[in-house]
Amino acid sequence: EDKVVQSPLSLVVHEGDTVTLNCSYEVTNFRSLLWYKQEKKAPTFLFMLTSSGIEKKSGRLSSILDKKELFSILNITATQTGDSAIYLCAGEYNYGQNFVFGPGTRLSVLP
Amino acid sequence: NAGVTQTPKFQVLKTGQSMTLQCAQDMNHEYMSWYRQDPGMGLRLIHYSVGAGITDQGEVPNGYNVSRSTTEDFPLRLLSAAPSQTSVYFCASSSWTGENQETQYFGPGTRLLVL
Repeated sequence: EDKVVQSPLSLVVHEGDTVTLNCSYEVTNFRSLLWYKQEKKAPTFLFMLTSSGIEKKSGRLSSILDKKELFSILNITATQTGDSAIYLCAGEYNYGQNFVFGPGTRLSVLP
Repeated sequence: NAGVTQTPKFQVLKTGQSMTLQCAQDMNHEYMSWYRQDPGMGLRLIHYSVGAGITDQGEVPNGYNVSRSTTEDFPLRLLSAAPSQTSVYFCASSSWTGENQETQYFGPGTRLLVL
């Protein structure tokens, strides 16, 4: 069964802290791993990772994939209250554009 | 360019009623999908389509039908609503722009309550 596990499920930090969100996956015919940020309703796309060991960065966010150990991490440095959201990890399977999502990590950044 | 639009935003149904959730995109995307999101479970794929006239089942297809008569529209039909279908439904579309540039666009969601 294809599945994605995220940890922690919930995290509370203070502004300025650095956080690491974890995502492990078991996906048939893996193609890519995606990270999304969901603040209110629909998730917004953050990263797509297809190759091991290549870090992707966008501002204070970065992510890396380990295809051998079947996991990915999402790092957020110097967190801000606007980073408060649910972060979803998804594995793309069967070489197609279909995904299995993890339950999300709810991040709360306190001022 | 409206992106992905969904209607209605909120709907209350009685058990056994049927309804159609509408989804449209104006980005000429080939791929469209329907997801449901339940607390603690993340998004689960219901049905998807790789182009007009082509649909297939996802992870949780039971109780739902879809059709794709045009590239733009991908409606989701609930045949006989059940309380277990209470959820937030997201429609998404995407196209291939290169291996590392693909982006999936989500609609705003439809919150469905089945009594």
